[in-house]
Amino acid sequence: EVQVVESGGGLVQPGGSLRLSCAISGFIFNNYAVTWVRQAPEKGLEWVLSISNTDVTYYGESVKGRFTISRDKSKNTLHLQMNILRVEDTALYYCVLGGIGIHGLDPWGQGTLVAVSS
Amino acid sequence: QSVLTQPPSMSAAPGQKVTISCSGSSSNIGSNYVSWYQKLPETAPKLLIYENNKRPSGIPDRFSGSKSATSATLGITGLQTGDEADYYCGTWDDSLSAGVFGGGTKLTVL
Repeated sequence: EVQVVESGGGLVQPGGSLRLSCAISGFIFNNYAVTWVRQAPEKGLEWVLSISNTDVTYYGESVKGRFTISRDKSKNTLHLQMNILRVEDTALYYCVLGGIGIHGLDPWGQGTLVAVSS
Repeated sequence: QSVLTQPPSMSAAPGQKVTISCSGSSSNIGSNYVSWYQKLPETAPKLLIYENNKRPSGIPDRFSGSKSATSATLGITGLQTGDEADYYCGTWDDSLSAGVFGGGTKLTVL
């Protein structure tokens, strides 16, 4: 069974940095796309960024230039480096296998909460 | 404003059928697969439909999906109180080179 587990969330001040991790087990994820989706309080789902099966990266406009995704193939882990954090980045961040326009997003992790506040 | 347009809310009685629409453009729905997600409170989203009309293992056939030109539809028959949730459509947008979601539809089963 494939399992997706996020970690690294927490409270950070505006302008600060945070690094999220996504550990995937039960699956050779090197050959598949991985996507991050977030949901701010009382808001809908927002596609944040993704990394393709060939390690091509795509970023949403709201995070471009501030967030960076990378894949550690030896550890089946994905890292999301978030810099210059803003209050509006406050959300529950989900890591999920797949590409949204291809085979859909599944399975999802339980999410990790990022709160940006002074 | 979301790139994909969904009705904010819908309601229907138990046992009835509901269809949730998702409207986009040629650069997103018109040229890419659409997927649908169910979001219950305090739980991660769940994939209901992928590649426009396919159901993952374990999703009952009460859920169906379709696509025509630049619009997609999620159908739910035999509504149950457990179907009360937020539903989102999603796809890729070639112009943005990014994924996009609809704003979500809150379904109430009266």
